[in-house]
Amino acid sequence: GIQVEQSPPDLILQEGANSTLRCNFSDSVNNLQWFHQNPWGQLINLFYIPSGTKQNGRLSATTVATERYSLLYISSSQTTDSGVYFCAVPREGSGSRLTFGEGTQLTVNP
Amino acid sequence: NAGVTQTPKFRVLKTGQSMTLLCAQDMNHEYMYWYRQDPGMGLRLIHYSVGEGTTAKGEVPDGYNVSRLKKQNFLLGLESAAPSQTSVYFCASSYGLGNIQYFGAGTRLSVL
Repeated sequence: GIQVEQSPPDLILQEGANSTLRCNFSDSVNNLQWFHQNPWGQLINLFYIPSGTKQNGRLSATTVATERYSLLYISSSQTTDSGVYFCAVPREGSGSRLTFGEGTQLTVNP
Repeated sequence: NAGVTQTPKFRVLKTGQSMTLLCAQDMNHEYMYWYRQDPGMGLRLIHYSVGEGTTAKGEVPDGYNVSRLKKQNFLLGLESAAPSQTSVYFCASSYGLGNIQYFGAGTRLSVL
């Protein structure tokens, strides 16, 4: 199955800073999803982004499918952005069974 | 619109006991999934369903059974709980193949 690697594993920011999280995957995929797990454990889907760029407020994501990576940008970070960010891709490149990366633990300090 | 609802939120079991986790979704989604999340790891797929009356094995299915008797409900059963099944369990649903997955709030299970 596909391998998913996320970097960095941990990131500490001061409020207001910008950051970029990266997700590399080992094979072609037809979709990629970014999730945020808040400190209370709730998982929220941020982006469904098989290719191209999408923006939602202070967050944006870009997937370059031909080069097998995706980036999640967080601008003007806030303490509420803290938590773990996961990317996930289909196990066989397509389909509904997702393989998750191990996540990036983000801490935003006031 | 409640989305995906999991019950219970917390449970403590003794080794060998059985229990059922319930997942309900009100979005008329065809696909439903059960994942487990362990410390320092991402989510791993246990079982999933592509429609009412169907189930399939995921990445880590051993020790679990599932049923999808109604489209809106997906049940995860542990017949004889083991300490290795201590984990946080998440249910998710999606409209179709490759679509966005929406997650429940999770069930924290401890097996002593």
